[in-house]
Amino acid sequence: GESVGLHLPTLSVQEGDNSIINCAYSNSASDYFIWYKQESGKGPQFIIDIRSNMDKRQGQRVTVLLNKTVKHLSLQIAATQPGDSAVYFCAERTPGGKLIFGQGTELSVKP
Amino acid sequence: NAGVTQTPKFQVLKTGQSMTLQCAQDMNHEYMSWYRQDPGMGLRLIHYSVGAGITDQGEVPNGYNVSRSTTEDFPLRLLSAAPSQTSVYFCASRPQGGSGYTFGSGTRLTVV
Repeated sequence: GESVGLHLPTLSVQEGDNSIINCAYSNSASDYFIWYKQESGKGPQFIIDIRSNMDKRQGQRVTVLLNKTVKHLSLQIAATQPGDSAVYFCAERTPGGKLIFGQGTELSVKP
Repeated sequence: NAGVTQTPKFQVLKTGQSMTLQCAQDMNHEYMSWYRQDPGMGLRLIHYSVGAGITDQGEVPNGYNVSRSTTEDFPLRLLSAAPSQTSVYFCASRPQGGSGYTFGSGTRLTVV
């Protein structure tokens, strides 16, 4: 079946360091991959997406990398700040428009 | 724009009761979805809709019904509440040409 999974359930980094959050997906027909940030008590917030025909996309302090050969997705956060502390989810948009989420990685930033 | 509005924010039900979680969006988005999130877990898709009059099942549809009579509204009905349905429920919407969903702030449901 369709599934999206994460390699690391928790990640602790020092303020100012770069963070890398990884994700594996299973549906090779998915056309978009999306990263969300969820703070405690709130709904997920869109961070960045990437189409399946791309391998890299950059935003403000964030970069998403897509490796279709091994079905791997990563989110890189540059100069991580305490405000980046949250749970990060990857999601894939499958044919037909369903958005399927992975388990999530909790990012903790130490000052 | 208010975005995606969910009501109520909190609800306690007794086992066997029925209720409807409301979701409305004012962005004229074609796609709408319902998710549930259990503690320490990701979001699981319950039902989704690609437009008014069209709905389809997600990963965990049992025990829930939906309808989409207008573009703006996408209510989720619990037919006979069970303790296993205790969760936080999120509604989300996106435009047809977009990739990312906009999420509501959630409804925290407890079934006792």
